[in-house]
Amino acid sequence: AQKVTQAQTEISVVEKEDVTLDCVYETRDTTYYLFWYKQPPSGELVFLIRRNSFDEQNEISGRYSWNFQKSTSSFNFTITASQVVDSAVYFCALEGRGAQKLVFGQGTRLTINP
Amino acid sequence: KAGVTQTPRYLIKTRGQQVTLSCSPISGHRSVSWYQQTPGQGLQFLFEYFSETQRNKGNFPGRFSGRQFSNSRSEMNVSTLELGDSALYLCASSLGASRPAEETQYFGPGTRLLVL
Repeated sequence: AQKVTQAQTEISVVEKEDVTLDCVYETRDTTYYLFWYKQPPSGELVFLIRRNSFDEQNEISGRYSWNFQKSTSSFNFTITASQVVDSAVYFCALEGRGAQKLVFGQGTRLTINP
Repeated sequence: KAGVTQTPRYLIKTRGQQVTLSCSPISGHRSVSWYQQTPGQGLQFLFEYFSETQRNKGNFPGRFSGRQFSNSRSEMNVSTLELGDSALYLCASSLGASRPAEETQYFGPGTRLLVL
């Protein structure tokens, strides 16, 4: 069975602080894909990043960075110099080869206070 | 390019009624997936369609059904509504040709269903 755990239910920080959202996953597949999505109050899930299981390179996109470690089955997401617009619920998701469906974590509600 | 669109955006129904939700994928996308989001259960996969065929199904009762048309548009139907069906229903589309998971699923804004 596949499972994604986001242990942090809610995080609240002050603007300009760095914040890391944790994601731990379980899968028996050797090929799988990991995702992060952002859900603003409007409800739409906004795609942020996809990473396949053979690519452990960390990625940076502007203020966003992702750290993928197969050894600890983690795919953490860091926002540097957070802004109020980053306030949203963030979901980590896993898709195994052949699964044709995303398995989501419970989400982390991030609040950035001015 | 237009994104995934879902109609209606909001819906109020009473127990026992049925409801049909619609999803139009991104142009050129042939795979459509549906997810249910509730505060208690989070985001759960309902089913996925590709070329008018259901390729995968989640653990939901038979009251939940779907279909896909030749233009890739998809509908989801819930019959005999229960209070617990109140949720945000999200549709996602992807190219679909090289599934699984070699493409990204892009989500629509969702349909918020309230069952009274």
